[in-house]
Amino acid sequence: EVLLVQSGAEVKKPGESLKISCKASGYIFTKFWIGWVRQMPGKGLEWMGIIYPGDSDTIYSPSFQGQVTLSADKSITTAYLQWSSLKASDTAMYYCARHEDNEDAFDIWGQGTMVTVSS
Amino acid sequence: SYVLTQPPSLSVAPGGTARIACEGHNIATKSVHWYQQRPGQAPVVVISYDSDRPSGIPERFSGSNSGNTATLTISRVEAGDEADYYCQVWDNGGVHPVFGGGTKLTVL
Repeated sequence: EVLLVQSGAEVKKPGESLKISCKASGYIFTKFWIGWVRQMPGKGLEWMGIIYPGDSDTIYSPSFQGQVTLSADKSITTAYLQWSSLKASDTAMYYCARHEDNEDAFDIWGQGTMVTVSS
Repeated sequence: SYVLTQPPSLSVAPGGTARIACEGHNIATKSVHWYQQRPGQAPVVVISYDSDRPSGIPERFSGSNSGNTATLTISRVEAGDEADYYCQVWDNGGVHPVFGGGTKLTVL
């Protein structure tokens, strides 16, 4: 079974750093892109960026460039999304999702990681 | 950047037909994917490439794409179809995914 399993909910203070994970299983990790999507409370889906674990090629949405960092560890089939300094406005649900090639749908999604940033 | 526009909400009686529009400039030249997000759950793709139905998605779900509007059609609507629905395309030569704002489907 193809699965993306994300790390658990986080509660952080403004200015703190954070790295959340997305563990892939059931498919060849290096052959598919992993995308990250933000969903703020009560709002829609916003694409943040995508990474190709095969060669770590990364494309960021202009809205998130410089705000977050995507990475992947092939040895443990895990993708990461990290912040160096969180803001209250980063409070949201974050999803990872897989797609195979250009123009493809995101066919498998993680269950989401809720990040709450509050002083 | 490319913009997709969806109606914020739609209400349909059980057994009726829901048609959810997704408007974008010359959207017919792009492949449209549709996602269903039930409350408290992650999105699930229900239609890919305009009209392909992934394994496990009921035949009641169908899609079309023409001109400036793509449409997700849900026939014989059931209570379990109550969810938010998002359309999505790829922009910038296929490297930037774009999501519509989402449509909340309420089953009366």
